[in-house]
Amino acid sequence: KAGVTQTPRYLIKTRGQQVTLSCSPISGHRSVSWYQQTPGQGLQFLFEYFSETQRNKGNFPGRFSGRQFSNSRSEMNVSTLELGDSALYLCASGDRGLDEQFFGPGTRLTVL
Amino acid sequence: AQKVTQAQTEISVVEKEDVTLDCVYETRDTTYYLFWYKQPPSGELVFLIRRNSFDEQNEISGRYSWNFQKSTSSFNFTITASQVVDSAVYFCALSERGTGGGNKLTFGTGTQLKVEL
Repeated sequence: KAGVTQTPRYLIKTRGQQVTLSCSPISGHRSVSWYQQTPGQGLQFLFEYFSETQRNKGNFPGRFSGRQFSNSRSEMNVSTLELGDSALYLCASGDRGLDEQFFGPGTRLTVL
Repeated sequence: AQKVTQAQTEISVVEKEDVTLDCVYETRDTTYYLFWYKQPPSGELVFLIRRNSFDEQNEISGRYSWNFQKSTSSFNFTITASQVVDSAVYFCALSERGTGGGNKLTFGTGTQLKVEL
């Protein structure tokens, strides 16, 4: 099976812009989770989608949003970008609840 | 709230040495999963192992082994005969049942392992 894919891999934006990141899970997986990784805060959970519904949300401002499509692909949107949003955004797909979560290569976002 | 502590920020070893990465966790859940991931410089988190809280059997996979001790809330990871390719950041993670029924992972801060020739 193909692994988790994320596009784009690298992105440069300026403050105030918005950005959309995409994640395609492993075929057959219905759960998609998003994580933010920064040097200062480490890996932090953003949100999880399952069958097009957001099941869980981390402690991030409303500027961070997401959605999941019927084919399980997910998008994450960040509006009004701030310098602190510069990070590696990782997507993970899973199949059976608490079981393995497989991560994609990430999207490295730089906000100037 | 759940917490995962990886006290070792960085470890340097010489190739062929054995190395143990420590992980201590806190949770109020009776059912949970523990994970180890490897993050090479490319950035992708590579899944290494998942352990159910009811299964305290140690596990060995090639040069990798894991020691789960519920009594001390620890889930340590040992690499035997380390190799340069093992150089990476290793993360321990704990699953948490979310209010929506799914799960989310709480990660430790990671241990940077450097294996030198």
